[in-house]
Formats: sequence, C-alpha cells, structure tokens
Amino acid sequence: RKEVEQDPGPFNVPEGATVAFNCTYSNSASQSFFWYRQDCRKEPKLLMSVYSSGNEDGRFTAQLNRASQYISLLIRDSKLSDSATYLCVVDQAGTALIFGKGTTLSVSS
Amino acid sequence: DAGVIQSPRHEVTEMGQEVTLRCKPISGHNSLFWYRQTMMRGLELLIYFNNNVPIDDSGMPEDRFSAKMPNASFSTLKIQPSEPRDSAVYFCASSWAMGSLKEQYFGPGTRLTVT
Repeated sequence: RKEVEQDPGPFNVPEGATVAFNCTYSNSASQSFFWYRQDCRKEPKLLMSVYSSGNEDGRFTAQLNRASQYISLLIRDSKLSDSATYLCVVDQAGTALIFGKGTTLSVSS
Repeated sequence: DAGVIQSPRHEVTEMGQEVTLRCKPISGHNSLFWYRQTMMRGLELLIYFNNNVPIDDSGMPEDRFSAKMPNASFSTLKIQPSEPRDSAVYFCASSWAMGSLKEQYFGPGTRLTVT
C-alpha cells in the first residue's frame, strides 16, 4: 500500500468553481500534515498546514480525519492562478516527510 | 534573504560520468534534505541531515549515490557512475527544525539528464 495516495487528476474547472482534493495516508502514527503547491517546472512550496480541527486560509480549507486517515483540501472561487499541482504531505511518525504524487488542477476562463 | 540555492540548474552528462549537485541551505536552518522527482515515482526523499549529520539515508537508491554536508552552509549529492535512469529533477530543501515537522523550503532544483 502506498504511504500517501492522491487522485492524480487532472481536475479541469472553470473560474469561480469550487473544487476538492482528497488524500489518504497509511501510517496511523503520522503527526503532521501539509498541502504543498507545485507550479510547472518549479519547486514545491508550502500552501498550508492541516490541523486536527480543520483550518481555513482565505479561499482554501483543509480538513483532517485521523480515524479514516484522510486529508482534504477545498478551494472556493477558483482563480486562473490556482492552476498547479497540489501535493499532500504527511510526516513519517515524526521524522521525514512523505509526499503524494500530487493532484493537477487546471482552471480555465 | 536568499532562499535555498542549488547548482547547476541543468546538467546533461553521458552515462558513466560523475555528477555533483550542490546546495546552499537558508542561513540558520539546521536540517537539509535531498529529494528526487520523476513523473513515475513523484518526489522521493533520498537523505536528510540534521546539524550536518546524516540522519536517514534509506532513500538513497544504491551505492552510486553519496551525499555530504561538510558545514552548515553547504551540501553535495554525488552520483558516480551516472546512469540514464538517474535522469530526474533533484531538489534540495532546508528547514530549521529536526524531523521535518516544520515547513521545508525548496531550492529551484537541478534538472539532470543522463544520456
């Protein structure tokens, strides 16, 4: 079983749409969770951390379900500039980070 | 403040040649990570250092790969001899906390092509 699994997409949505990405992880001892964003031919950059109580940053909302070992990212009112690959990231029981392969989002006008 | 610096940005070499990738972490960061990214396998952790000491090198594919961190401001990843299957983008990242529980800052990557 892969440690971090994501639907690769691509997700093709119009501007203004709401889109949700899901991610599952295999290590129940994982303690830290993140979403990173990677633009084409660029390096990954932290988008937001994911907290147990759920957290919001502007148009972005992250949720964590420890019982189901499931993480989600919701993007509201999509912008053209949101087009990128979104990487689900989970720590390996407090040590190294494990990156999912990413979900590609394409927002069109 | 400069981010993580990597060199070269692009490297094209022939099979069998030695390749050395370089990384300068963000000043003050005490953890450094080397990753490899391919379409097939995604982003894979190769090795990471804390306070210049290698902590986990279980991701290093084989003996052809080696990494060093002689001081807090410099690290190298060496491949000798290189093979076509080593073609990938190699990222270096740094953070200021042990165990990757804090944000990692990535360099721009080195795009390696082995022919």
